Amino acid sequence: SSVLTQPPSVSVAPGQTASITCGENNIGDNSVHWYQQKPGQAPVLVVFDDSSRPSGIPERFSGSKSGNTATLTISRVEAGDEADYYCKMWDSSSDHYVFGTGTKVTVL
Amino acid sequence: DVQLVESGGGLVKPGGSLRLSCAASGFGFSRYAMNWVRQAPGKGLEWVSSISSSSTYIYYADSVKGRFTISRDNAKNSMYLQMDGLSVEDTAIYYCARDKTSMDVWGNGTRVTVSS
Repeated sequence: SSVLTQPPSVSVAPGQTASITCGENNIGDNSVHWYQQKPGQAPVLVVFDDSSRPSGIPERFSGSKSGNTATLTISRVEAGDEADYYCKMWDSSSDHYVFGTGTKVTVL
Repeated sequence: DVQLVESGGGLVKPGGSLRLSCAASGFGFSRYAMNWVRQAPGKGLEWVSSISSSSTYIYYADSVKGRFTISRDNAKNSMYLQMDGLSVEDTAIYYCARDKTSMDVWGNGTRVTVSS
């Protein structure tokens, strides 16, 4: 089955841009969704269907996909963006949801 | 307000069973597929199981297939996860999540600890 690979950690200074990648061979054929999880809290959807933003999510959060890689970009990073981020997709070959390995974003 | 509330977690011995519940409110529960997702201590998110709106389609992760059973009662706005043959590897916080293209609403989770 699919494995969604993310970098374990990303560090970014306040006001700068953080980019989190999510790679898998068949990712181009499937919609990718991104979740933010702060310590002790439930995950929150921040991007769905590759690049759409739920209501209430700041425009600073954006998603894109190219080839075998999806990317979550956080512009003008704030201290409150410090969290774990997970990508997710539906693997139709196995009828399984697959979560990425997760990326810890640290704001310096 | 749209809300999901999990319950039924606790401490259980290896080989034991638990039944988790997820109570939905504030939206048309019967129109949505639902999911269980878990997170072991210090680990990432792991999808467990999904059920379609009318229970026609049910899917399980390989790690729980044959041991866990997902179900729902649309009249009670509730979803369930019957967990049998529990092992220490099942220790986790279990979240229920609504499925609307993506998992857009999550509960706060219920903790399951499997230990002797």
